[in-house]
Amino acid sequence: SQKIEQNSEALNIQEGKTATLTCNYTNYSPAYLQWYRQDPGRGPVFLLLIRENEKEKRKERLKVTFDTTLKQSLFHITASQPADSATYLCALYNNNDMRFGAGTRLTVKP
Amino acid sequence: NAGVTQTPKFRILKIGQSMTLQCTQDMNHNYMYWYRQDPGMGLKLIYYSVGAGITDKGEVPNGYNVSRSTTEDFPLRLELAAPSQTSVYFCASSYSARGATEAFFGQGTRLTVV
Repeated sequence: SQKIEQNSEALNIQEGKTATLTCNYTNYSPAYLQWYRQDPGRGPVFLLLIRENEKEKRKERLKVTFDTTLKQSLFHITASQPADSATYLCALYNNNDMRFGAGTRLTVKP
Repeated sequence: NAGVTQTPKFRILKIGQSMTLQCTQDMNHNYMYWYRQDPGMGLKLIYYSVGAGITDKGEVPNGYNVSRSTTEDFPLRLELAAPSQTSVYFCASSYSARGATEAFFGQGTRLTVV
């Protein structure tokens, strides 16, 4: 069966450090992978999209990698700040529908 | 820019009652989705639509129905509410398929069935 697994339910780091979140998938062959941020009581907000033929994508302090051989994406936040505290979700498409991992709750402590 | 609008924001239903969760988008997106999110869990896909007149089941469709008569609107119907349907419901839309473009989400509807 198809699975999307984000390996940590919660991640606590110190301000200024780099946060690394993992998304693993099985029985998908995605052309694209997306990362979203969700704050409590709100809907997810899009952060980054990476294509299967892209190894790495950057946006300001965010970096995403996509390894289709390992079936894994890594999401990095450099120089983390308390304002980065949120739940981060990865998303894959299965033909026309979009499915999500359970998310990783990141807490950045001052 | 309204984006994706969901109504109501909160609702309490009694077991066996029915209701419709409304979702409308003003971005002319063909693709629309309904998800439910239980505490500590990820988003589970209920139904989706690739355009007006076309809908399809997602991972957890039982107990729900949808329709898509216009590009803008994608209502979700609960016919006989059960406690297991207590959840937060999110509607989303996107311009294209297969993850090529970002999805936009509504603010969610928090539903409690008692």
